[in-house]
Amino acid sequence: KNEVEQSPQNLTAQEGEFITINCSYSVGISALHWLQQHPGGGIVSLFMLSSGKKKHGRLIATINIQEKHSSLHITASHPRDSAVYICAARLGGATNKLIFGTGTLLAVQP
Amino acid sequence: DVKVTQSSRYLVKRTGEKVFLECVQDMDHENMFWYRQDPGLGLRLIYFSYDVKMKEKGDIPEGYSVSREKKERFSLILESASTNQTSMYLCASSSRSIQVLAKNIQYFGAGTRLSVL
Repeated sequence: KNEVEQSPQNLTAQEGEFITINCSYSVGISALHWLQQHPGGGIVSLFMLSSGKKKHGRLIATINIQEKHSSLHITASHPRDSAVYICAARLGGATNKLIFGTGTLLAVQP
Repeated sequence: DVKVTQSSRYLVKRTGEKVFLECVQDMDHENMFWYRQDPGLGLRLIYFSYDVKMKEKGDIPEGYSVSREKKERFSLILESASTNQTSMYLCASSSRSIQVLAKNIQYFGAGTRLSVL
């Protein structure tokens, strides 16, 4: 069993739909990251959170430390949101090691 | 803007060749990382470095070595490339600061897609 699990692995949505991607982890963490990877490989950090909720534009990330679960929501989805979304658990300490989920491939159709 | 630059976007090498993947960051970050990304497996840590000349094995170091002679540069070396090392390789860097949580974000390069024939 992976230490960081994401669901679903693949997601197809219609433009405008509300999207939720889930992430569960089994290790102790100091923070959880949500990353976005567009075709071609480049990875961008969307959020880093250790408690509660963060919002940036149409993106919202939440985390429940007790349940070891985080969600990434996209409101009013758009085809340009199509990408792979990756959650990563950050272990404690100065080395900043991350354990990655396998990613969720999102396709938003017009 | 933080910039992590990987020297090549695409590389094609032959089995047995020695391969160098270079990564340079311009934010004076202490930590640097090399990952490989394969379908269904996500990103897996090969090696990381938390200071010049310091390195630690990640989860899958076999068949790889690294070099960090200068703070801004972290090189991944495939001593004798094999077909199972065909993959996307991603470099990342981050600050070592644990006092300021926001500085611990890892910044990624664009990736090098390596094919070993």
